[in-house]
Amino acid sequence: QLQLQESGPGLVKPSETLSLTCTVSGGSISSSSYYWGWIRQPPGKGLEWIGSIYYSGSTYYNPSLKSRVTISVDTSKNQFSLKLSSVTAADTAVYYCARRGAILGMDVWGKGTTVTVSS
Amino acid sequence: DIVMTQTPLSLSVTPGQPASISCKSSQSLLHSDGKTYLYWYLQKPGQPPQLLIYEVSNRFSGVPDRFSGSGSGTDFTLKISRVEAEDVGVYYCMQSIQLPPTFGQGTKLEIK
Repeated sequence: QLQLQESGPGLVKPSETLSLTCTVSGGSISSSSYYWGWIRQPPGKGLEWIGSIYYSGSTYYNPSLKSRVTISVDTSKNQFSLKLSSVTAADTAVYYCARRGAILGMDVWGKGTTVTVSS
Repeated sequence: DIVMTQTPLSLSVTPGQPASISCKSSQSLLHSDGKTYLYWYLQKPGQPPQLLIYEVSNRFSGVPDRFSGSGSGTDFTLKISRVEAEDVGVYYCMQSIQLPPTFGQGTKLEIK
């Protein structure tokens, strides 16, 4: 059974870079059928799609965050990562990683990790 | 970006009664491949969203048949035929015909 697990610091200082990793287990990140993405949810608010990556390294970022986002993949470790630079309090959120397929959409999600931006 | 608008934003339902949530998109979600890329998710308290319905009306694996989706073009509906206590949470519609995928604001379902 495919599982995704987010990891990374829970506290980031303003203006610094948020870095998270999603580890995929129970399946290969190199599957040609899926993209791997990041979604976030500020406290008490809705869901915002951040971006996604294909195992080949091809990426797509939400234009609203594009200037600050980098998503990368490490197929040898079955992981993909998110970097969000120049963070502010508005970037405080639960960050989820998820698998996205052409038919089922985002069908497998990690449990999420809370990131707080504060000095 | 495609804007997804859900109504109502909250719903209080007696167990055993039906519930219905509407989702309207700012553009048609019908792709030239003939598929409509509209999804429904349920986010239970303290959990990540879980997929309920894909491509308007297809129940995901393990989803009870009391959940059904319908609609076309820009207007969609999620129906729960008989609400149960385990159905509480926030329901989101999502489109993926166009990047970035966008979500509705969410509809909070509570039990009376």
